[in-house]
Amino acid sequence: KNQVEQSPQSLIILEGKNCTLQCNYTVSPFSNLRWYKQDTGRGPVSLTIMTFSENTKSNGRYTATLDADTKQSSLHITASQLSDSASYICVGAGFQKLVFGTGTRLLVSP
Amino acid sequence: DTEVTQTPKHLVMGMTNKKSLKCEQHMGHRAMYWYKQKAKKPPELMFVYSYEKLSINESVPSRFSPECPNSSLLNLHLHALQPEDSALYLCASSQSGTGAFGTDTQYFGPGTRLTVL
Repeated sequence: KNQVEQSPQSLIILEGKNCTLQCNYTVSPFSNLRWYKQDTGRGPVSLTIMTFSENTKSNGRYTATLDADTKQSSLHITASQLSDSASYICVGAGFQKLVFGTGTRLLVSP
Repeated sequence: DTEVTQTPKHLVMGMTNKKSLKCEQHMGHRAMYWYKQKAKKPPELMFVYSYEKLSINESVPSRFSPECPNSSLLNLHLHALQPEDSALYLCASSQSGTGAFGTDTQYFGPGTRLTVL
C-alpha cells in the first residue's frame, strides 16, 4: 500500500531555533520525494525534490535528506523565522502517482 | 513569471447552481492539474491534463467537469454539487506532462475556497 507518514503532527518552536520534521514513505515504484510548504488557505510551494540517488538538498534555510534504503526523509529548518509558520507536506512520487502525507503544522513563536 | 492564477478566490453556490473555476499560467507549462483539499487534510489529485489532453482522472464524480481550452488555461465546471464538496480547490502546473510522477516542479495557484450551501 502506497502511503506517506509524517511526524510530528504539530510542532511549536521559538523563533531562531532549529527543528527537524520526519517523513516515512512507502511508494512503489518510487521516483522522487518532495517537500512542500503550505500557508493556511494558500497553495503549496515546492521546497525540494530529491530522487533516490540524492541524499541531501538545500533551499536556503531548508535542508532535506533522503535515505532510500530506510525510506525515510527529513526536513531541517535552520534559524526559524515567524514566516516559517505553515504546514509542511511530504510527498512521495511514483509511476503516475503522487502520495501526500498529512503534513506537520509548524508554529514559530516569538 | 512563475505564477499560477486562480479565479475566483472565494465562491459560494447552491446545490442547483452551475459555476466554473478558472486557472491560468503563462510559464509555457504543458501539464496542468486540479486538486481538492479539505481542511487539515493533504491535497487530493482530481485531474491531470498533459498537452491539453486529459491524462489522469482520479474517479471524480461527474458533477465536476474539467476543460482545457488551451495550454495556458484550465477550467473546472461545477454542477449540482453537494455540501461535502466544500473545500479549497487548487490548480497547479508543471513544465511537462510528467510533473505528477517525474521530477518537474509543480507550481500551485492560491486556490479557490468553495462553499456549497
